[in-house]
Amino acid sequence: AQTVTQSQPEMSVQEAETVTLSCTYDTSESDYYLFWYKQPPSRQMILVIRQEAYKQQNATENRFSVNFQKAAKSFSLKISDSQLGDAAMYFCAYSTPNAGGTSYGKLTFGQGTILTVHP
Amino acid sequence: DAGVIQSPRHEVTEMGQEVTLRCKPISGHNSLFWYRQTMMRGLELLIYFNNNVPIDDSGMPEDRFSAKMPNASFSTLKIQPSEPRDSAVYFCASSLTINQPQHFGDGTRLSIL
Repeated sequence: AQTVTQSQPEMSVQEAETVTLSCTYDTSESDYYLFWYKQPPSRQMILVIRQEAYKQQNATENRFSVNFQKAAKSFSLKISDSQLGDAAMYFCAYSTPNAGGTSYGKLTFGQGTILTVHP
Repeated sequence: DAGVIQSPRHEVTEMGQEVTLRCKPISGHNSLFWYRQTMMRGLELLIYFNNNVPIDDSGMPEDRFSAKMPNASFSTLKIQPSEPRDSAVYFCASSLTINQPQHFGDGTRLSIL
């Protein structure tokens, strides 16, 4: 079964600085998707960024970018110019587009990393 | 545009009672997912539907849990009878197709006393 591991239960960053959140995953499949979701105290789950495994180019969304290392099965999230509104729990997640795969269409989440942003 | 709508936002009830959680997916989305979030187990998928048909219910904890999707715009998750260990936040999510990004509702915080 696919697993997703976030080894940092908590991280902190100063406003305007850069922080990187780590995520590793285990899979035997070659085609899959990786996601970062943000959950602020309001408890909404907000999609931050998505990476398709067949794409070598790292995904970016404004201040958010990923470092996708397929061979190492690593998928880290970099937040640049951190803002107070970035404070939240961040979840890394995995799914597969393969109809025969056990994670077909469904998200497998990591344990989450709580990010604190200091003014 | 309206996102995924869940109701109620909070539910407090006594053990043994029937609980029904409701979800309205984003219009035009064909896939719908129910997740449960607890401190101990994190976020776990309970069941998901594609075109109103249940595809995978292997995450449903036991027979006390059931889910239906009678039409494309409505789904329910029912717990009967409820137990204190069912206390959690339950999320509904929908996606355009099964492999598109999922959009989550605000969740229902369920407390079973």
